[in-house]
Amino acid sequence: QTAVTQEPSFSVSPGGTVTLTCGLSSGSVTSNYYPTWYQQTPGQAPRTLIYNTNTRSSGVPDRFSGSILENKAALTITGAQAEDESHYYCVLLTSSDFWVFGGGTKLTVL
Amino acid sequence: QLQLQESGPGLVKPSETLSLTCTVSGVSISRSGHYWEWIRQPPGKGLEWIGSISYSGTTYYKPSLKSRVTISVDMSRNQFSLKLNSVTAADTAVYYCVRGYDQNFDPWGQGTLVTVSS
Repeated sequence: QTAVTQEPSFSVSPGGTVTLTCGLSSGSVTSNYYPTWYQQTPGQAPRTLIYNTNTRSSGVPDRFSGSILENKAALTITGAQAEDESHYYCVLLTSSDFWVFGGGTKLTVL
Repeated sequence: QLQLQESGPGLVKPSETLSLTCTVSGVSISRSGHYWEWIRQPPGKGLEWIGSISYSGTTYYKPSLKSRVTISVDMSRNQFSLKLNSVTAADTAVYYCVRGYDQNFDPWGQGTLVTVSS
C-alpha cells in the first residue's frame, strides 16, 4: 500500500516561517489527492487546518496556508506563534479510494 | 450544530469483537454527499483511517483491515457503527467517529479509548 511521508519533527522560531511537507513513497502528490492538514494537541481530537490542498477551514488563522511544492503537499506557517506548537498530520485520498495518513510532524516553536 | 459521539466498551478481550457506535446529531445520516468515517490513534502514535460508509450505504475499508472490519448504518437511530473482530493488543487505540464531507474530516467525535487486554 502507498505510504505517506512527513518529517518526524521540525523546529521554528517564534515569528518565523516553516513549511511542512507531505509526500508519497512512490509518485508525486497533486491536488487530485485532496491533501488535507490537521493539527492535534495532546488529548484533543484533530482540527482541520487546510483541505482540498489550499482551502483554509473556518476560523483558521491566515498564517496557515496550503500548496503543492515540488511534488509534495505543503503546509506553511508564516509568523509562527507559541500556540502553533503541536502535531500536524496530512492525509491523502489515494486512487483506490482509500485515505492514508502521514506519520505526523511534531512542530516545536522555540 | 453537527456533533458526533462515540459509545461502546472501553475494554475488549483478545480475539473478541470490538463494537462501537457513533450517534450523529444535527444532520441526517442519509444526507447526500456525507460519509461517516472511523479513524483510530494508538497511544502515542499517529492517525489511521479504518474505513467509511457513504450516505448511500457504500462501504470503504483500509485494505489491511478489510477482512476484520464492518461498518454499518442505523438510519432510524441516526447512528453508524464499527465492528472489528479478532482483536489483538495492536488494536488498542482511541477510536474517533468523524463526518467526511467535501474531502474533509470534520467534525470529529471526542474519541473513545478501547483497550484490548485479558
